[in-house]
Amino acid sequence: GAVVSQHPSRVICKSGTSVKIECRSLDFQATTMFWYRQFPKKSLMLMATSNEGSKATYEQGVEKDKFLINHASLTLSTLTVTSAHPEDSSFYICSASKEGGTEAFFGQGTRLTVV
Amino acid sequence: KNQVEQSPQSLIILEGKNCTLQCNYTVSPFSNLRWYKQDTGRGPVSLTIMTFSENTKSNGRYTATLDADTKQSSLHITASQLSDSASYICVVSILNDYKLSFGAGTTVTVRA
Repeated sequence: GAVVSQHPSRVICKSGTSVKIECRSLDFQATTMFWYRQFPKKSLMLMATSNEGSKATYEQGVEKDKFLINHASLTLSTLTVTSAHPEDSSFYICSASKEGGTEAFFGQGTRLTVV
Repeated sequence: KNQVEQSPQSLIILEGKNCTLQCNYTVSPFSNLRWYKQDTGRGPVSLTIMTFSENTKSNGRYTATLDADTKQSSLHITASQLSDSASYICVVSILNDYKLSFGAGTTVTVRA
């Protein structure tokens, strides 16, 4: 199966700082990657769709200036949480699909804690 | 509205026993249904994926069923092991749409 690697797996940062999370497809090219946020005991909530070489598409209610997404190559998308606040603490997960594929492969997730 | 509802919300079973998780959906037009296993603090891992024409699919001790007419799916875990303790998420995809509809998951706890 395809592998999607997410880094870091957990990060603790101070309020007001920015944090970058990386999502890499290790053995396939992904023109589209997805970023999700998951609260405890809740389902995954789509934040944005990351498109290689173009601007990300954000879901309603997600601040694009706060959650910066860059998809610079066919194997890498990054999510930067800018000026993080404690309410941004959450579990962030990325996913990617192969070109023309129907299955989504998820990263390991990143536990962000803002103190 | 495209929705995916799972039941029960959580369950506890003894090691070696079987259990069945349910998923009902209203997603339309339907493309495929997937079951994922998510360990605590990890990303979801695919167990099965079924299209409209598939009624059942197995992956080791996991067997998923799909009734596209009634829009119901189930995931059966046979001879449960401690490592089966996780959240199981039902995910339905819409035809010609990249977005996925997620269930809230069923948390399974297997006890020795």
